[in-house]
Amino acid sequence: KAGVTQTPRYLIKTRGQQVTLSCSPISGHRSVSWYQQTPGQGLQFLFEYFSETQRNKGNFPGRFSGRQFSNSRSEMNVSTLELGDSALYLCASSLQGVPGNTIYFGEGSWLTVV
Amino acid sequence: DAKTTQPPSMDCAEGRAANLPCNHSTISGNEYVYWYRQIHSQGPQYIIHGLKNNETNEMASLIITEDRKSSTLILPHATLRDTAVYYCIVRVAWGESNYQLIWGAGTKLIIKP
Repeated sequence: KAGVTQTPRYLIKTRGQQVTLSCSPISGHRSVSWYQQTPGQGLQFLFEYFSETQRNKGNFPGRFSGRQFSNSRSEMNVSTLELGDSALYLCASSLQGVPGNTIYFGEGSWLTVV
Repeated sequence: DAKTTQPPSMDCAEGRAANLPCNHSTISGNEYVYWYRQIHSQGPQYIIHGLKNNETNEMASLIITEDRKSSTLILPHATLRDTAVYYCIVRVAWGESNYQLIWGAGTKLIIKP
């Protein structure tokens, strides 16, 4: 069974641009979460989607947004990129997103903002 | 803030059991303990999780103390490929549907030949 797939794996953007990252969860999983990982801040929760609705949101500015489609695939968008947005962006999926569910991560998308 | 405390680093000899401790003294009754590892900033790899009973799978064993204030991840026969950062995470729950994995700094485990 295929794991969580994230695209693109690597990308370079310029300050002020926007970027869209994609995540395909494990088949049958309806909960998709996004995390940002930086050397200074570690792994931080961005948001979680379940059945096309944002269910939870972390403490990030409004420039960070996401959505989930009816097939559970998810995208996240960062607008007006800043140098500090350079990070590994991780997507995770689980069946229902409830306690006790196993949560699987993708390999991540490396974003470099120059 | 992370609800777990782990040693920043540990060494273990190849072939021996690696025992990674984790303190989570403020854990609530419905909060699970999850363990992940991450190698060279790849995506975190799921290892195991549990609520209050000890758990075992093909990768590791998880021992949770009776008061649930601490746990230990055991890799029974460590290999060089087990060198990674290991994260012990309490899955925090607010309300009926607000769940998050709150990550700490993890333990860098180095397996030595």
